Parts: sequence; C-alpha cells; structure tokens
Amino acid sequence: EPEVTQTPSHQVTQMGQEVILRCVPISNHLYFYWYRQILGQKVEFLVSFYNNEISEKSEIFDDQFSVERPDGSNFTLKIRSTKLEDSAMYFCAAPRGTGDPTPGYTFGSGTRLTVV
Amino acid sequence: GQNIDQPTEMTATEGAIVQINCTYQTSGFNGLFWYQQHAGEAPTFLSYNVLDGLEEKGRFSSFLSRSKGYSYLLLKELQRKDSASYLCAVSTGGATNKLIFGTGTLLAVQP
Repeated sequence: EPEVTQTPSHQVTQMGQEVILRCVPISNHLYFYWYRQILGQKVEFLVSFYNNEISEKSEIFDDQFSVERPDGSNFTLKIRSTKLEDSAMYFCAAPRGTGDPTPGYTFGSGTRLTVV
Repeated sequence: GQNIDQPTEMTATEGAIVQINCTYQTSGFNGLFWYQQHAGEAPTFLSYNVLDGLEEKGRFSSFLSRSKGYSYLLLKELQRKDSASYLCAVSTGGATNKLIFGTGTLLAVQP
C-alpha cells in the first residue's frame, strides 16, 4: 500500500476558482470512485467511473463537477467554480483486487479542499 | 431509500471488548464493510461480510445478519491506538457497486 495516491494533500482556493484533484498513479484498475467527507460528517459517494465513462453519479455531482482519465493513469476530479460548501476531504478509491469491485476498496490518502 | 445507522460515540477501557452495532436499509446489497478512520486520514479497510455469520481477523471480528439488516464489529483487547471512528458501509451492488456509509462511531479508548 498505498495502491492509490492523491495530490495535492491540501489545497486552499478562493470561491469561484477551478480546482483539479488528482489520483496518481493508478494501474490495472478499471473501477474508480470519488467520495467526499465534509468535516464531522459521513463519507458520501460522488461518482463512479468504469472503463473511462461515468457509470453513476450522485445528486451532489452536479454540472460543476467533472471527472477524467486524461492519460490512462491519472484520474482527476474537477470542480469548475468552487463554493464554500465544497470544502471537504475528497477521497479517490479503487477496488482492492485488480479489476474486481469486491471485496473492498482502497482509499487514497485524500485531498483536503478549503474554499475561502 | 438508503439508511445506515450506528451509534455516534462509544467509550471503552483499554484491554476490554467493545461491540459497535450497525443497522442498514438499502436498495441493494453486495456486502457490508467496516472501515477504521483516524481524524484527518483516509478510511482503512477492516472487514467484509457478504454471507451471514462471523468473520474473524485477529483482534477484530465482524458479524452479519442479512435478514435483520444488522452487523456488528467486535474489537477485543482494546488498545489506545484503537481510538478512531469506525465506519459501517454497505456495497449496493449492481453495475456501480458504490458504498453507502453510516455516520461512523467515534470510539474513545481510555486507560
């Protein structure tokens, strides 16, 4: 471990700015997920990504969010115009077994996003 | 709807045993996970149950009853380092197999 790493570990941005959060590197994973955790609250599902396409997204994942796998390894989450309520820890996750969505996920170390 | 309930906080003594309960009602079920999370860190995998019964792994055990929508995590020989949040999460199955999390149980292990 870790099978999943994230950068940056902490990002501070001004409201209205765009941010890009990254999972690097990823290899041999077909499934990817983004979750977020607002301070003191539960971990919430944002989006799942399978074979370079979004397979499911939650109500949180509105038009301000997008995901990409630009170069076959990095996996990015973009927030186009950040709001104060986007402040949270963002976790990338991938299945523990190569290409197998069970029996568990490995979470990246997380990016703490602070919107001011 | 999706609903996962677990106690908000628990306190236990070093060396003791503690049981953290979780009840769930979800639209799909493909297994139940327990994660440990220290403040400011990522969740780390503890256990997985997909069939009824008890899974044991060292000091940690997890139990599942699918008919009752119930699980518990049992921690034995508690150590101070076990102080953390314990997250119950259900995998919903289907094409996505996403996790739905409970709010977590903050466990404080006292000397």
